[in-house]
Amino acid sequence: AQSVTQLDSQVPVFEEAPVELRCNYSSSVSVYLFWYVQYPNQGLQLLLKYLSGSTLVKGINGFEAEFNKSQTSFHLRKPSVHISDTAEYFCAVSYYNTDKLIFGTGTRLQVFP
Amino acid sequence: DTAVSQTPKYLVTQMGNDKSIKCEQNLGHDTMYWYKQDSKKFLKIMFSYNNKELIINETVPNRFSPKSPDKAHLNLHINSLELGDSAVYFCASSQDLIRRGYTFGSGTRLTVV
Repeated sequence: AQSVTQLDSQVPVFEEAPVELRCNYSSSVSVYLFWYVQYPNQGLQLLLKYLSGSTLVKGINGFEAEFNKSQTSFHLRKPSVHISDTAEYFCAVSYYNTDKLIFGTGTRLQVFP
Repeated sequence: DTAVSQTPKYLVTQMGNDKSIKCEQNLGHDTMYWYKQDSKKFLKIMFSYNNKELIINETVPNRFSPKSPDKAHLNLHINSLELGDSAVYFCASSQDLIRRGYTFGSGTRLTVV
């Protein structure tokens, strides 16, 4: 079955520390991968996406993610987080020839001063 | 100008009532979606329409009926509301899902009492 797993439901971290939010997807021939961020009481915003090519993709707000086909992972990273990064982060996958995104269960990033 | 707008933002209603949520996008996108986000933040697709035609209809109770009068609007009507329908409902639109992802509305928080 097509699925996305976000291994950590919550990640607490201090300001200016690095962070990694983990995402794994069920294997398939072709996938397209996305990370979205949801700030409190708002809709989801696209952070970055992987379609093809370079496995390291850079997004907005200093985030980046690396596509690892052998490990079926697409982990999100930021070298130094800010208080304003506190939000819910969703990994999502679209499988080839489908017209929908399948979301993971989300990871709540809590940044402390 | 809001790209994807949903109304109302909050909706509190009693069990057994019928209610509608409206969604409009001014991006010129061909495809629109409804997603349900439950209390654990899990996002699950319900429906998608492409240029007024139903494309995706996931396993959703018949009490939920989407209607798309034109490609800029996708409304969601819910009959005989139940406690379990309480959730945040997100509308989204896309033009070339793979390259650009979704644009989400800010959500409608439905509470059934």
